[in-house]
Amino acid sequence: GESVGLHLPTLSVQEGDNSIINCAYSNSASDYFIWYKQESGKGPQFIIDIRSNMDKRQGQRVTVLLNKTVKHLSLQIAATQPGDSAVYFCAETGAGGTSYGKLTFGQGTILTVHP
Amino acid sequence: KAGVTQTPRYLIKTRGQQVTLSCSPISGHRSVSWYQQTPGQGLQFLFEYFSETQRNKGNFPGRFSGRQFSNSRSEMNVSTLELGDSALYLCASSFKGPLSEQYFGPGTRLTVT
Repeated sequence: GESVGLHLPTLSVQEGDNSIINCAYSNSASDYFIWYKQESGKGPQFIIDIRSNMDKRQGQRVTVLLNKTVKHLSLQIAATQPGDSAVYFCAETGAGGTSYGKLTFGQGTILTVHP
Repeated sequence: KAGVTQTPRYLIKTRGQQVTLSCSPISGHRSVSWYQQTPGQGLQFLFEYFSETQRNKGNFPGRFSGRQFSNSRSEMNVSTLELGDSALYLCASSFKGPLSEQYFGPGTRLTVT
């Protein structure tokens, strides 16, 4: 039958606001989590990663929070800019075996930043 | 350092044909993974190669195959194309695979008519 397209969550913010994008993951054995940004016509671009032995990691204008208890990941973007408008994906992977080289991606969130 | 490159960027094929896509990883990266991206299914893992060996494979039919060469460059092949194979095919390279950053190429947009 015909496949149903993914209905991506959307987040619309004003320039200068802080943005929070959330992601729920399912595999409690996942060891490594990554946030990617994908702009139209481009491949996913690495933003920030975090390992399962951490609960917070900060980069330039971005912070990733990991809550393993509820299997939740979030990406915080400070002072969001129009250039941040894109689709954001969380991805997870494990340490080996069936996880080699395999990232499992979330459905994505569309972030729109209004000037 | 040059990024991941994929060729061709765009491709139009007819049902029943086969296609080969190419990926050149970042210099020094030995792991190459392939993904299919569609509006309906999102990003799905196809397979991963490391030092010319397939280490992992996703849930795709046998029509999808790949290989990796001694210089780490990789190709994927899709035989007997179906309309549903229309997608953006992405490859990603990393230094060693698990628990290391994967860097994506721009993708090959395949349209099957």
